[in-house]
Parts: sequence; structure tokens; C-alpha cells
Amino acid sequence: NAGVTQTPKFQVLKTGQSMTLQCAQDMNHEYMSWYRQDPGMGLRLIHYSVGAGITDQGEVPNGYNVSRSTTEDFPLRLLSAAPSQTSVYFCASSLKGGQPQHFGDGTRLSIL
Amino acid sequence: AQSVTQLDSHVSVSEGTPVLLRCNYSSSYSPSLFWYVQHPNKGLQLLLKYTSAATLVKGINGFEAEFKKSETSFHLTKPSAHMSDAAEYFCVVSVNGNKLVFGAGTILRVKS
Repeated sequence: NAGVTQTPKFQVLKTGQSMTLQCAQDMNHEYMSWYRQDPGMGLRLIHYSVGAGITDQGEVPNGYNVSRSTTEDFPLRLLSAAPSQTSVYFCASSLKGGQPQHFGDGTRLSIL
Repeated sequence: AQSVTQLDSHVSVSEGTPVLLRCNYSSSYSPSLFWYVQHPNKGLQLLLKYTSAATLVKGINGFEAEFKKSETSFHLTKPSAHMSDAAEYFCVVSVNGNKLVFGAGTILRVKS
């Protein structure tokens, strides 16, 4: 049982490049979400999904896109990377919204 | 709007002494509250959750938290700290069942 799997673990991008962060879960969870973690700010919600085909914005959605074509996968896209998007990104899932979430190990993203 | 304030950014204790990590919340209705722990370079792990069944909540690794509505607090405690407890701890409130709002985190240092 792999839980929540994020790839890649590390990535360095140049300003303006695009990239997709992958997230997959094998627990048949309906709810999935993306957070970014910055020092002293806790985790902030970027986007979330309550089921396949349904997504919504969180607290800091600008510069990020998501889609949910299957229950298992919830990729996060940066269309034109900016230095302000340098952060650690976490994907999480739960059976339903509001329930305790299972987190991946994170993707550490640096944008130069 | 729902929010969470962790009153200490850093807490330092000696091994074998009690741990107290303080959290106050703001919520317009009865909240769901969580404590998560994050060890270095890892994802977040659920310690415990409050969902109105009991005001004193027991979690993993000897941690517990008490929900006090009159004080809008949800402090995390442990009777005796262990070196392996050194980590960052996050107090979290669930908003509308679909969003989690994280506190800024408290880094716990355990001295030998």
C-alpha cells in the first residue's frame, strides 16, 4: 500500500518554464488537495478536488492549474514558473473532505 | 473566517519533561481540529483529531489535546518528552468540510 506518491522529489526550474508535479493515491480517496509550505507560514491550500472531474480553488491558486480526470491522480501544473513559486509542495488525500488527510513526502521546487 | 494561531514558534524542553504546544482557533461554528507532526524532510502525519465526540482527545505516541470551547483553545500535551518527538507540529482547523487551515507551526526541540 503506497499511500500518496509524489514525483519528482526535487526539481530546479528556470523562470518561465512549465512543469507538472504528479500526485497519485491508491486508497480510493475522493478528496485530494495540493499545498505549498513556506517557512513560518504553515501549509497553504492551492487547489483541491472532491472527486473526479471536480476541482476548486484554495487560498493561493494563482499561477497553478489542476485537473482530476481519475480518482487516483491529481497533477499540479505550473504554466510559467516564477521565483515566488519556490517552495515545498505537498499533495494530500482523504476519504472525504474534512477528514484527516494522508500526505505525500513532498516535492522541493526551486525556481531560478 | 476560520483561523488558527499557534502561540509559540519554537519550544525547547528537556528529555523526560512535559510538552505543551499551544493553539487557539477562531471558528464561527463547532470546528473539527487536528494536530499534525512533520519530521525533517518528511510529509505530515496525523497525531490526533477532535470532532466533538470528546473534549479530551488521545493521539499517537502519548500525545493528547483538550478542546476548550470557552477559551477557543486546543493545546497539545505529552507528559514526558522523548528525543524522537523533536519535529514541527501544526494545529489545523477544518473549514466547511473541504478546506484545512494550518497554523504557522511550532518547532519542538528536545534536549538530552
